[in-house]
Amino acid sequence: GEDVEQSLFLSVREGDSSVINCTYTDSSSTYLYWYKQEPGAGLQLLTYIFSNMDMKQDQRLTVLLNKKDKHLSLRIADTQTGDSAIYFCAESAANSGYALNFGKGTSLLVTP
Amino acid sequence: EAGVVQSPRYKIIEKKQPVAFWCNPISGHNTLYWYRQNLGQGPELLIRYENEEAVDDSQLPKDRFSAERLKGVDSTLKIQPAELGDSAVYLCASSLAGEGADTQYFGPGTRLTVL
Repeated sequence: GEDVEQSLFLSVREGDSSVINCTYTDSSSTYLYWYKQEPGAGLQLLTYIFSNMDMKQDQRLTVLLNKKDKHLSLRIADTQTGDSAIYFCAESAANSGYALNFGKGTSLLVTP
Repeated sequence: EAGVVQSPRYKIIEKKQPVAFWCNPISGHNTLYWYRQNLGQGPELLIRYENEEAVDDSQLPKDRFSAERLKGVDSTLKIQPAELGDSAVYLCASSLAGEGADTQYFGPGTRLTVL
C-alpha cells in the first residue's frame, strides 16, 4: 500500500512546543489524521484535516498540511508530561472506503 | 455512551490452536473495521464492513482468518490455526457511515500471544 512515514522518537522538555512530522505518498489522500495512543489504551483521534486545507488549530494543537510536498505536521504547544504517548499519522481516501493507513508512530517523551 | 467493546482483552494460545475475538461497535455505527497492530507498528486494516457486508477484505489472510458481522452489529474475527506471527493487538473500530470526516472510534484491542 501507500507509505506513511514518521520519525520514531521525539523528546522535549515540559513547557516547550513539540512538532511531529509525517510524509505520505498517496496523492488521492482526502483526509489526514493524528491519533494518540497511550500505553495499554486504544487509539484516540486528536484531530484531522481535509486535504484542501493547509492549517487547522484546535486549542494546543496546530496541524499544518503541505499538499504539494505531501507533508503533515502536528505542533503541540506548551507540552505537558501527560502528552507523552505514541502519535500516529494516518491518511484515508475515498477509493479505499476511508480505511485508515497509518504510519509507524512517533514516540513522544516529555521530560520535566 | 458506551465505546467500542472488545473481548477478550488478552489471549495466550499455543500455535495451531484456534482463537476468536469479539467486537461490539458503538450503537448506530454502520461501518466496522478490524485492524492488526504489530509491535512497534501502526495498525493495518484487515477487513471493513458496511452493515453486514464485508466491502474490503483484500488484506485478510483468508487461508486462516475469517470474520463475520451477523445482523450488522457485533463482529467476530477468527484465526484457525494460529501461527507465531499472528501475535499482535487486534483492534476493532467503528464509524457512523464510513465517511472520511466520520471519526473512527477504536476499542482497547485484544492482545494475542501465540506460543
